[in-house]
Amino acid sequence: EDQVTQSPEALRLQEGESSSLNCSYTVSGLRGLFWYRQDPGKGPEFLFTLYSAGEEKEKERLKATLTKKESFLHITAPKPEDSATYLCAVQAGPGGSYIPTFGRGTSLIVHP
Amino acid sequence: SQTIHQWPATLVQPVGSPLSLECTVEGTSNPNLYWYRQAAGRGLQLLFYSVGIGQISSEVPQNLSASRPQDRQFILSSKKLLLSDSGFYLCAWSRDRGRDFYGYTFGSGTRLTVV
Repeated sequence: EDQVTQSPEALRLQEGESSSLNCSYTVSGLRGLFWYRQDPGKGPEFLFTLYSAGEEKEKERLKATLTKKESFLHITAPKPEDSATYLCAVQAGPGGSYIPTFGRGTSLIVHP
Repeated sequence: SQTIHQWPATLVQPVGSPLSLECTVEGTSNPNLYWYRQAAGRGLQLLFYSVGIGQISSEVPQNLSASRPQDRQFILSSKKLLLSDSGFYLCAWSRDRGRDFYGYTFGSGTRLTVV
């Protein structure tokens, strides 16, 4: 069974204090790993897709990296508007369901 | 560009009443469509998905049902709501064929409170 574990569950940062969110996964052959941002009361918004170990993608203050067991979402010099819940999801490879498995998310609060 | 519409945004319904949530997608054809429920602290739970008109797959047995009467329309229904049906319901679509999956685009969600 595919599993996705995100840590920490909640993270409080001061504006400008860089940190990382973790997504550990167990899947029978990774086809894709997805990061989403979700603001309160809204649907998740797509951020990145990573396909293979060693891959990195960046968007503004966010950088996502991937290894064979986990992915990190690095937040550099965060601002209060980066406050949101960040969701990770994995899609299994050949023979697996194409339906992604989601983690429970990390709630990030950035204080000014 | 593709857009997804989901309504209503909020809904308060008494126990035992019926439910109908609607989702429509614009700007694409033959999308895969999904209904998710998100409970506080429990992540996203896949309820139903559809790869075509009239084709519905259920992931979780419950008193909810889904229908896809048109290519870009997905409806979540219940004949009699339970308290446990309360939650945040999300519709999503994906453009994937077989092995290729390009990620979900989610709707804005419906907050359902059963009282």
